[in-house]
Amino acid sequence: AQTVTQSQPEMSVQEAETVTLSCTYDTSESDYYLFWYKQPPSRQMILVIRQEAYKQQNATENRFSVNFQKAAKSFSLKISDSQLGDAAMYFCAYLNSGTYKYIFGTGTRLKVLA
Amino acid sequence: DGGITQSPKYLFRKEGQNVTLSCEQNLNHDAMYWYRQDPGQGLRLIYYSQIVNDFQKGDIAEGYSVSREKKESFPLTVTSAQKNPTAFYLCASSLFSYNEQFFGPGTRLTVL
Repeated sequence: AQTVTQSQPEMSVQEAETVTLSCTYDTSESDYYLFWYKQPPSRQMILVIRQEAYKQQNATENRFSVNFQKAAKSFSLKISDSQLGDAAMYFCAYLNSGTYKYIFGTGTRLKVLA
Repeated sequence: DGGITQSPKYLFRKEGQNVTLSCEQNLNHDAMYWYRQDPGQGLRLIYYSQIVNDFQKGDIAEGYSVSREKKESFPLTVTSAQKNPTAFYLCASSLFSYNEQFFGPGTRLTVL
């Protein structure tokens, strides 16, 4: 069975600095999708970034980028120029191609210090 | 505006009672999902539905039931068989299986 591990329950970053959140996953499949979701204090889940496993190029969305290492089964999220509004829980998620069962990690709480 | 609505935002239930959580979407998405969120455990899948009149159990379906009579609606019933129902419940939808999920604002259920 697939698993997703987020080993950092909590992280802190100074405003305007860069932080990297870690995510590893375990799968024997070759075709899958990976996601990072943000859950702010309002608890509304929002998609941050999405990566297709067949793409070698790392996905980027403005200040958010990923480091996708398929062989190592690693999918870290880098947040550049951190802002106070980035403070939230961040969840890594895995989805097998052709299925509907997303698997979520336990989340990393990010604190942004002014 | 397109989106997902969940109601109510807060729900209180006495032990032994069944309760139904509402989830509606106007995104024309085929797939809908129910998750349970507990502190330190991330999101766990309860049920999901790919099309109308069809649904599958997730990882923690015991004590829950769903229906999918309309494309836009996917209500979740928490039955008295659910031993520890106090949690935050999230509904989500997606256009296709490989698309990202869109989430509702959630329902906080508390058993008194």
